[in-house]
Amino acid sequence: AQKVTQAQTEISVVEKEDVTLDCVYETRDTTYYLFWYKQPPSGELVFLIRRNSFDEQNEISGRYSWNFQKSTSSFNFTITASQVVDSAVYFCALSDGGANSKLTFGKGITLSVRP
Amino acid sequence: DADVTQTPRNRITKTGKRIMLECSQTKGHDRMYWYRQDPGLGLRLIYYSFDVKDINKGEISDGYSVSRQAQAKFSLSLESAIPNQTALYFCATSDSDRVNQPQHFGDGTRLSIL
Repeated sequence: AQKVTQAQTEISVVEKEDVTLDCVYETRDTTYYLFWYKQPPSGELVFLIRRNSFDEQNEISGRYSWNFQKSTSSFNFTITASQVVDSAVYFCALSDGGANSKLTFGKGITLSVRP
Repeated sequence: DADVTQTPRNRITKTGKRIMLECSQTKGHDRMYWYRQDPGLGLRLIYYSFDVKDINKGEISDGYSVSRQAQAKFSLSLESAIPNQTALYFCATSDSDRVNQPQHFGDGTRLSIL
């Protein structure tokens, strides 16, 4: 069975601080996909990134970066120089490599960025 | 217009009532999903459908049913609503031609059962 653990439930930082959101996953599949979604206070789910199990390159997109390490089954998300608009719930999710594409979500991390 | 539209956006109803939540999409995706979100629990899959004639149970299907009326429409029903079904419900779609592409979510339906 697949499992995603987001051990941090709530994080509060002051604007301009860097913050890392942790994600640890469990799967028996050799091919799988990892995702991060953002849920701002307005409630919608916004896709941030997808990473497949064969691509361990880190990714950077503006102030966002992701560190994928298969050795520790982790897919951590770092926000550099956080801003108030980054305040949201962030979900990590896992999908197997098969055709069904079902997502298993972590419980989410509530990030509050204070001015 | 949103690619994935959920109606209603908010609903308050009483225990025992039959409720239908509707989802329609203009993305042309063949796969559709229903999730519920509870505080501190993340999103959990209720049902999913890969085609008009295909319906599959997810992690928490008890107390729910679905209907895939057309490729673009996927409705979720609560036959006899109970208070612990109070939650935020999301519909999502994905494209089978592109394996494991991100699911696209609607804006959610906030359901309260008194």
